[in-house]
Amino acid sequence: QQQVKQSPQSLIVQKGGISIINCAYENTAFDYFPWYQQFPGKGPALLIAIRPDVSEKKEGRFTISFNKSAKQFSLHIMDSQPGDSATYFCAARGGNTPLVFGKGTRLSVIA
Amino acid sequence: DVKVTQSSRYLVKRTGEKVFLECVQDMDHENMFWYRQDPGLGLRLIYFSYDVKMKEKGDIPEGYSVSREKKERFSLILESASTNQTSMYLCASSTGTEAFFGQGTRLTVV
Repeated sequence: QQQVKQSPQSLIVQKGGISIINCAYENTAFDYFPWYQQFPGKGPALLIAIRPDVSEKKEGRFTISFNKSAKQFSLHIMDSQPGDSATYFCAARGGNTPLVFGKGTRLSVIA
Repeated sequence: DVKVTQSSRYLVKRTGEKVFLECVQDMDHENMFWYRQDPGLGLRLIYFSYDVKMKEKGDIPEGYSVSREKKERFSLILESASTNQTSMYLCASSTGTEAFFGQGTRLTVV
């Protein structure tokens, strides 16, 4: 039973374009939704996170959109750059339980 | 600067060997985790610990055990390594919100 479903599995975007990665969850007890970024040979690192009391959070070129009623959240990367090429994981957690991760999206930004 | 250090970047072990993966964090975090990362499967939780001497099974604990004798150190043990345990292993620690990951140990069992 997959608690967090992530799509697409891979994504190719032109430099300057918008990258969009989507996640859906079932557990209504989840109250923390982070996105992690992982470069080859490195561990994942927190990129941006949101709690369900807001519908959007923006940090620089990265935005999380959150739809509580649909139980969906997405990551938007504006003005995508080659340096954004990485694997992105959405995750979710309720209370102090461990993070549950999506399966990841491999993003390639091409010039 | 926060740090989670895994003792080995790469390991090659033989089938049936007992394997120890070590993880140390310097952030005085209570919570520590072991995940396994496989292509197309994401990160799957093996074991976690919220306190010294405490351990809880995650989603895929079979074939693994853990040890947490000190707050800063969390070890993953493969009792008898098998080829299907060839994977990337990631250790993480957290205070309860952000989780910090080590750089991973790529284990190959031959």
